[in-house]
Amino acid sequence: DTAVSQTPKYLVTQMGNDKSIKCEQNLGHDTMYWYKQDSKKFLKIMFSYNNKELIINETVPNRFSPKSPDKAHLNLHINSLELGDSAVYFCASSLADGTGRFEAFFGQGTRLTVV
Amino acid sequence: AQTVTQSQPEMSVQEAETVTLSCTYDTSESNYYLFWYKQPPSRQMILVIRQEAYKQQNATENRFSVNFQKAAKSFSLKISDSQLGDTAMYFCAFMKNSGYALNFGKGTSLLVTP
Repeated sequence: DTAVSQTPKYLVTQMGNDKSIKCEQNLGHDTMYWYKQDSKKFLKIMFSYNNKELIINETVPNRFSPKSPDKAHLNLHINSLELGDSAVYFCASSLADGTGRFEAFFGQGTRLTVV
Repeated sequence: AQTVTQSQPEMSVQEAETVTLSCTYDTSESNYYLFWYKQPPSRQMILVIRQEAYKQQNATENRFSVNFQKAAKSFSLKISDSQLGDTAMYFCAFMKNSGYALNFGKGTSLLVTP
């Protein structure tokens, strides 16, 4: 009964490949996020979806395409993987009413290694 | 744009002692939320404590408390009676864009020693 679950936890792939990371939340939240944590542990927002609508796209390359089939899922597809894409990707979810008062719950992260 | 600065990349404290982690932020908004998240070696992001900017009273959660100075845009975390399980990265975060993104500092790596 994990609240926010991501699959896979680890992903090793070659440059140029296309891969997807799946995220599901069972908290009834209406907003989901993708964050990227680089090798220096810096966490940065990539995308935010509210009720399946894209709210934030933080200058992420077009090779990254989020897909939200419903409010409980937000998947991340990455085309033509590059070495610089190696990082830990976190999915998160929360309620959002425009005030910022709700806590975000994070998944356990997916460590992506591009070789 | 909002920025969050954590000026202490690494800190160390002995078990049972008290340690304070610093965080400053920059924003033009008058109402916002601030958070401290903990990331142990397991990688899981765990909310430690949060503060609503319009509340003057500092938030506390058991051994964790904050010193929120709105005018100075400062939001430090105090951990009392440090335990070995407190060893982790600690991230200060600012909720921006009306709740649709957390803006994180670069983190402070805290080591609690016996």
